[in-house]
Amino acid sequence: QLQLQESGPGLVKSSETLSLTCAVSGGSISTSGYFWAWVRQPPGKGLEWIGYIYYGGSTYYNPSLKSRVTLSVDTSRNQFSLDLSSMTAADTAVYYCARHSEVEYFFDFWGQGTLVTVSS
Amino acid sequence: QSALAQPASVSGSPGQSITVSCTGTSTDVGVYNFVSWYQQHPGKAPKLIIYDVSNRPSGVSRRFSGSKSGNTASLTISGLQAEDEADYYCSSFSGTINPCVFGTGTRVTVL
Repeated sequence: QLQLQESGPGLVKSSETLSLTCAVSGGSISTSGYFWAWVRQPPGKGLEWIGYIYYGGSTYYNPSLKSRVTLSVDTSRNQFSLDLSSMTAADTAVYYCARHSEVEYFFDFWGQGTLVTVSS
Repeated sequence: QSALAQPASVSGSPGQSITVSCTGTSTDVGVYNFVSWYQQHPGKAPKLIIYDVSNRPSGVSRRFSGSKSGNTASLTISGLQAEDEADYYCSSFSGTINPCVFGTGTRVTVL
């Protein structure tokens, strides 16, 4: 069974860059037909797609976050990462990593999520 | 790209059927059959329950079904059970510029 696990700081200062990593186990990140995605959810609010990356390095970003987001993939470690710069209080959220079907556009496996709080 | 519109809350009694709507536009729900639905219990990650408008992943109860008409997709839960009480989100492919849009979310309450 595929498993995803987010890791990174739970607290980030305003204006700094958030760096999160998602470790994939039970399957290869290099499997064709899937993107590797980040989705976030502010406390008490809805889901927001951040972006996704293919194992070959192709990336797609939410236009509203594109100027601040960088996704990368490390196939040798079977993991992918998110960098989000210029953090503000509005970026406080639970950040999820997930697998996304390239062809049918759904998220079928999710990590448990990690809460990131931005402090001033 | 605006979020897909969902009712904030829907409720029903055990055994009843309820429907959650998801309204988009002619650039997402109306033109692509890539609508998916997710169930999220408090403090948990979302779980895929419907994909490609009406398909259920293996292991998902047959009580969950999906459909689409025009710019609106719908999730129906039949034989409502206490365990169905959760938040539900729709999502749709919306083109290559901004491929993924989520709905605003619906809280389903079992009375």
